[in-house]
Amino acid sequence: NAGVTQTPKFQVLKTGQSMTLQCAQDMNHEYMSWYRQDPGMGLRLIHYSVGAGITDQGEVPNGYNVSRSTTEDFPLRLLSAAPSQTSVYFCASSYRGFGANVLTFGAGSRLTVL
Amino acid sequence: DAKTTQPNSMESNEEEPVHLPCNHSTISGTDYIHWYRQLPSQGPEYVIHGLTSNVNNRMASLAIAEDRKSSTLILHRATLRDAAVYYCILRDPNRGSQGNLIFGKGTKLSVKP
Repeated sequence: NAGVTQTPKFQVLKTGQSMTLQCAQDMNHEYMSWYRQDPGMGLRLIHYSVGAGITDQGEVPNGYNVSRSTTEDFPLRLLSAAPSQTSVYFCASSYRGFGANVLTFGAGSRLTVL
Repeated sequence: DAKTTQPNSMESNEEEPVHLPCNHSTISGTDYIHWYRQLPSQGPEYVIHGLTSNVNNRMASLAIAEDRKSSTLILHRATLRDAAVYYCILRDPNRGSQGNLIFGKGTKLSVKP
């Protein structure tokens, strides 16, 4: 049972380059989300999805795109990387349903934009 | 959105109990109280959650005040591995898309040998 898998673990980009951070879960979770964490800060929600084909914006969506074509995968795309996007990115997933949804997080992807 | 207030940092000695406080005076009747922790260089991990009653699991206990305006995460015997940032978060599962977890800065717990 792999849980939530994020790739790559580390990435260095130049300003203006594009890339995709991959996130996959094998728990058949309906809900998936992307957070970013800057030094000394808590996590901020970028985008989330409540099921295949459904996505919505979180607190800091600018500069990022997402899609959800399958239940398992939720990639995060940076269209034109900027130094302000240097951060650690976490993907998370959970079941939806009555009661409190417990999130399972990936190990994170550390991105540096030069 | 209801917010939480936690101390920035706390210290504990190994094998002693730790009480991590959280104030949430604007909590609504349907907000669950979640605790997550983040070990160094790792993603957050779930610790415990509750609504009204005190809760226990293998990791910790959650004591919720009768008026629900505050709660305390209790680690019964701190180990060096418990050194982490602990986040107290409110979430309403019935708010649909607005029910996402909002992380603050949390409490950084240091554990001394």
